[in-house]
Amino acid sequence: GNSVTQMEGPVTLSEEAFLTINCTYTATGYPSLFWYVQYPGEGLQLLLKATKADDKGSNKGFEATYRKETTSFHLEKGSVQVSDSAVYFCALSAWGGGSEKLVFGKGTKLTVNP
Amino acid sequence: NAGVTQTPKFRVLKTGQSMTLLCAQDMNHEYMYWYRQDPGMGLRLIHYSVGEGTTAKGEVPDGYNVSRLKKQNFLLGLESAAPSQTSVYFCASRPRDTSGNTIYFGEGSWLTVV
Repeated sequence: GNSVTQMEGPVTLSEEAFLTINCTYTATGYPSLFWYVQYPGEGLQLLLKATKADDKGSNKGFEATYRKETTSFHLEKGSVQVSDSAVYFCALSAWGGGSEKLVFGKGTKLTVNP
Repeated sequence: NAGVTQTPKFRVLKTGQSMTLLCAQDMNHEYMYWYRQDPGMGLRLIHYSVGEGTTAKGEVPDGYNVSRLKKQNFLLGLESAAPSQTSVYFCASRPRDTSGNTIYFGEGSWLTVV
């Protein structure tokens, strides 16, 4: 079946530190890959996505590259800010049972301290 | 821009009571979803719908029922609430047209069953 595994948190960093949150997936076929972010008290919102191998999604200084050979979609940011504190979810979109569904990882909580 | 709207936002129920969560989207999306979010579990799909008048079970459907009588609305019902259904519930929607489309989330409904 389809599944997503992302590194467990929580992750605590100082402002301007480098961030990596690992995400690997298992899927049949060719899924699309996503990172969603959830700020405290809010719903999830799309951060970035990649729909085919070697694509790089980027937004707000975050990047992730769709690596088919390693089945990975690691999230990176060169210099985090306090405002990046949130929970980050890796997800894949794949067909199953006649429709396309999202499968989420368990989320990684990031806290950035000033 | 309303997007995906969930009501109510907060609710406390006694064990055995029933209630309905309403999700409304104004983006003319075909697909709608109900997820629950629990600590350490990420998001788990309860039920989903690929169009008006159709519903299907997700990963954790037991204890819930859904209806999609109108394209813009997706209702989640708890017939006899249990403490295990204490959670944050998220509705989401997306268009059907192409693979990898962004999914849009509501802001969540916090439900406590005592």
